[in-house]
Amino acid sequence: KAGVTQTPRYLIKTRGQQVTLSCSPISGHRSVSWYQQTPGQGLQFLFEYFSETQRNKGNFPGRFSGRQFSNSRSEMNVSTLELGDSALYLCASSLMTQYEQYFGPGTRLTVT
Amino acid sequence: TQLLEQSPQFLSIQEGENLTVYCNSSSVFSSLQWYRQEPGEGPVLLVTVVTGGEVKKLKRLTFQFGDARKDSSLHITAAQPGDTGLYLCAGARGGADGLTFGKGTHLIIQP
Repeated sequence: KAGVTQTPRYLIKTRGQQVTLSCSPISGHRSVSWYQQTPGQGLQFLFEYFSETQRNKGNFPGRFSGRQFSNSRSEMNVSTLELGDSALYLCASSLMTQYEQYFGPGTRLTVT
Repeated sequence: TQLLEQSPQFLSIQEGENLTVYCNSSSVFSSLQWYRQEPGEGPVLLVTVVTGGEVKKLKRLTFQFGDARKDSSLHITAAQPGDTGLYLCAGARGGADGLTFGKGTHLIIQP
């Protein structure tokens, strides 16, 4: 089976802009979760989608949003980018909510 | 306050030595997972433990879930340079919180 894919792998944006990241889960996985990883805070949970519905949400501002499509592919959007949003954004898919996660390689976002 | 505390944060040892890393919490988890992450890649699942007191072995790696399901440990026997990486534990509590990750242990095995 093909693994989790994320696009783009690297992105540079300017403060105030918005960005959309994409994730394609493993075939058959209906749960997709998004995480932000930084050296200071580690891996922090953003949100989880299952069958196109947001099931869980982490403690992030409303600038962070996501959605899941009927084919389980997911996108996350960050509006009004801030310098502190610079991070590695990881997507993970799983068979069920909060189950074993299979991660993609991540998108490295740099905000200048 | 971090829900899952991992220790040590950094560990550098020689090839062939044994080591243990810990994952502790005051909360009870329905399951706990361990991942290893290498630079430039996403974390890779190593094991899931679900029963209090459970012990799982993966070659030279031994994982244990605490009896009260609040803590876990990872023991590596005869460490090898290929074991180098960031080791992360993650707990599931159900509810609407999603998985909670610890900050990880950065492990370096020197040849």
